[in-house]
Amino acid sequence: GDSVTQMEGPVTLSEEAFLTINCTYTATGYPSLFWYVQYPGEGLQLLLKATKADDKGSNKGFEATYRKETTSFHLEKGSVQVSDSAVYFCALSTLQGAQKLVFGQGTRLTINP
Amino acid sequence: GAGVSQSPSNKVTEKGKDVELRCDPISGHTALYWYRQSLGQGLEFLIYFQGNSAPDKSGLPSDRFSAERTGGSVSTLTIQRTQQEDSAVYLCASSYRGSETQYFGPGTRLLVL
Repeated sequence: GDSVTQMEGPVTLSEEAFLTINCTYTATGYPSLFWYVQYPGEGLQLLLKATKADDKGSNKGFEATYRKETTSFHLEKGSVQVSDSAVYFCALSTLQGAQKLVFGQGTRLTINP
Repeated sequence: GAGVSQSPSNKVTEKGKDVELRCDPISGHTALYWYRQSLGQGLEFLIYFQGNSAPDKSGLPSDRFSAERTGGSVSTLTIQRTQQEDSAVYLCASSYRGSETQYFGPGTRLLVL
């Protein structure tokens, strides 16, 4: 079945550091790929998405590129801030049927000032 | 406009009791999803509604779990004879039909003693 594997956390960085959170997937067909973020005490929010190969999703300084050849969707940010501290989830959905989301295990990110 | 709302926000119950969790989707969203977020299992899909019908119930973990949706709007997830392993955060999400973007509610945190 479809699955998503994320870089294990927790990840701790200093402010202004470069961030990469790795995500790879296994899917039949051509999934859409997502990064969701869960800030402390809040619900899941869509951070960015990409719907086809070579698409780049971006939002709030974060970027991720849909790489079909490596089945990856790594999340990057050039200079993180304390306010980026959260749990990040990589997810996929297939276009057929329910379009339900299949999530990775989540990566807890802490940014220290 | 208003987002997805869920009630109660927290629920503590005794093993063996039944619980009902409620989800109010965004107005006009025909698709509704239930997910469960637990420490051991991460984020798992439970059930998908399109309108009032549930074409995908594949994630419900046992026959103690059921859900319904009425009027194409509010949904109730019912857990009968709760067990300690049911303790988790239950998340509801909604989307427009055919849209890949799901909007999540804040969740109901269930603790079974």
